[in-house]
Amino acid sequence: SAVISQKPSRDICQRGTSLTIQCQVDSQVTMMFWYRQQPGQSLTLIATANQGSEATYESGFVIDKFPISRPNLTFSTLTVSNMSPEDSSIYLCSVELAGYNEQFFGPGTRLTVL
Amino acid sequence: GDSVTQMEGPVTLSEEAFLTINCTYTATGYPSLFWYVQYPGEGLQLLLKATKADDKGSNKGFEATYRKETTSFHLEKGSVQVSDSAVYFCALDTGRRALTFGSGTRLQVQP
Repeated sequence: SAVISQKPSRDICQRGTSLTIQCQVDSQVTMMFWYRQQPGQSLTLIATANQGSEATYESGFVIDKFPISRPNLTFSTLTVSNMSPEDSSIYLCSVELAGYNEQFFGPGTRLTVL
Repeated sequence: GDSVTQMEGPVTLSEEAFLTINCTYTATGYPSLFWYVQYPGEGLQLLLKATKADDKGSNKGFEATYRKETTSFHLEKGSVQVSDSAVYFCALDTGRRALTFGSGTRLQVQP
């Protein structure tokens, strides 16, 4: 498989600020995704991170709120902008690796917004 | 749209009991089906998968069979252990290669 790292692992932020989460993979990646897991809830897909172009967002998620970059195949960032307490969640990146027909998940970033 | 429905938890069992966690789905086409597990304090891990009708996925004593006629992918284990206590998520992929998850089922196994 692969080592998928996320930074930071957790953070506590103030309302109105922004946080950028990084996802780095040590293997060949074909697809990268960002998910959100709200407290006690399931995972919801935010967007597909596309290399060198704009991300593809799911219904209910917009670029102004969750800008995503993917400058190369193995690295992506998700920014949570103008945060409110409702943004308190675990944010996870996942990847599909070359040669694998499954997704692997990063350890997640636990965000608390006060 | 695509959706996954799981039985609500928590499911509480005694060690060595038989486990079934129900999962049904709604999707266009022929999705691939997955069970993911999230152990306390750990990240999400793939437990097993099935990519076509009548396929059986298995891992660590867990099994699930892809039933197209009933659009189901129920998770079973013959004898659970305390170490199986976790949250289990059923998920599908219709070919978009992004996953649609069920709500998760918390399993608690008591010694």
